[in-house]
Amino acid sequence: GENVEQHPSTLSVQEGDSAVIKCTYSDSASNYFPWYKQELGKGPQLIIDIRSNVGEKKDQRIAVTLNKTAKHFSLHITETQPEDSAVYFCAASSRSNNAGNMLTFGGGTRLMVKP
Amino acid sequence: DVKVTQSSRYLVKRTGEKVFLECVQDMDHENMFWYRQDPGLGLRLIYFSYDVKMKEKGDIPEGYSVSREKKERFSLILESASTNQTSMYLCASSVGTSEQYFGPGTRLTVT
Repeated sequence: GENVEQHPSTLSVQEGDSAVIKCTYSDSASNYFPWYKQELGKGPQLIIDIRSNVGEKKDQRIAVTLNKTAKHFSLHITETQPEDSAVYFCAASSRSNNAGNMLTFGGGTRLMVKP
Repeated sequence: DVKVTQSSRYLVKRTGEKVFLECVQDMDHENMFWYRQDPGLGLRLIYFSYDVKMKEKGDIPEGYSVSREKKERFSLILESASTNQTSMYLCASSVGTSEQYFGPGTRLTVT
């Protein structure tokens, strides 16, 4: 089955700096890569996703890049703000069946943005 | 806005008890999922359902069962709770291949 590894497990940056979180996946058939943000006491929430026919996608201060050859994808957050502090999860989907995209998640990255 | 609610935020049960975790979504989604979240392991899929009374095993179904009698409600059942089932449990729903919407989670402690 799919295996997703995520690094680093914790990341501390100064407000205004950039943050990068990296994930690798094992199944070359994976074709959908979402990123979720989980704030304290809440469930994960989708912040951006990318499909395998696209190399990069941006949404304001957030961007995701995908390298299919190397089987890795990354989340980039620019001009970080204290409200970006949260746990971030990457995921990969190599199966679509009766219940849509079946996701395998990485272990999570705790991002701390220091004011 | 999609809303996924879970019956309890915190739950403490004793070893051997039967435990029910309830999840309700209000957006008529056909797909519903149960995950457990443990530090360093991310989210792992326990079971999912793509229609009423339809269910399939995820990656870690051992020790769990599920029930979906109505489209909006998906229940996770621990037949005989054990200490290694102490965890955060997250429910999610989706339609088609769209994003999964998560509930706030239930933190279960089994003593």
